[in-house]
Amino acid sequence: DGGITQSPKYLFRKEGQNVTLSCEQNLNHDAMYWYRQDPGQGLRLIYYSQIVNDFQKGDIAEGYSVSREKKESFPLTVTSAQKNPTAFYLCASSPGTVFNSPLHFGNGTRLTVT
Amino acid sequence: SQQGEEDPQALSIQEGENATMNCSYKTSINNLQWYRQNSGRGLVHLILIRSNEREKHSGRLRVTLDTSKKSSSLLITASRAADTASYFCATADVGNNDMRFGAGTRLTVKP
Repeated sequence: DGGITQSPKYLFRKEGQNVTLSCEQNLNHDAMYWYRQDPGQGLRLIYYSQIVNDFQKGDIAEGYSVSREKKESFPLTVTSAQKNPTAFYLCASSPGTVFNSPLHFGNGTRLTVT
Repeated sequence: SQQGEEDPQALSIQEGENATMNCSYKTSINNLQWYRQNSGRGLVHLILIRSNEREKHSGRLRVTLDTSKKSSSLLITASRAADTASYFCATADVGNNDMRFGAGTRLTVKP
């Protein structure tokens, strides 16, 4: 089945450590996105990528980094510079032009930093 | 920053009743999308309506868009317990590379 796989589902880290969240898609979609979701709030865009080796910052990119070395993969690193990293992280992909077609989401990674 | 604002924040109805959720936004948009999220899961796309469209249907779902009022509504007819979820609207802004989500409406359908 085609889809987006995020791993792990739950992730625990100590403050000051960098952590990388995995996102893989086999939908052959060009565009990929990372969103953050906090309780009672909508999704906020961290980074997005239209094509391989290119990515753009979203509203809340500070303290995060990404890479897009392969079309299928868009890992997100939460660095120690992110002041409040505990959240639910959602990866998505879409065909065609960014933001003009439906997003397909993974099932998320819940990150807890203590 | 968030764009769409859903109303109400929470809605509780009986099975078989209709559920209406509203979304307001502030800027000019290319399209507006509705998504559903079950607790602890990713979002699932429901309907995309473009700025030149006024109404779309998909099964028991009906979406309207009023660009003059910058608002949209999602109607779920003959609701089922399985419709219990959070529903989000998202807008793709003209000229901006972003899709902005509201905080969602939490729908509970009681059997």
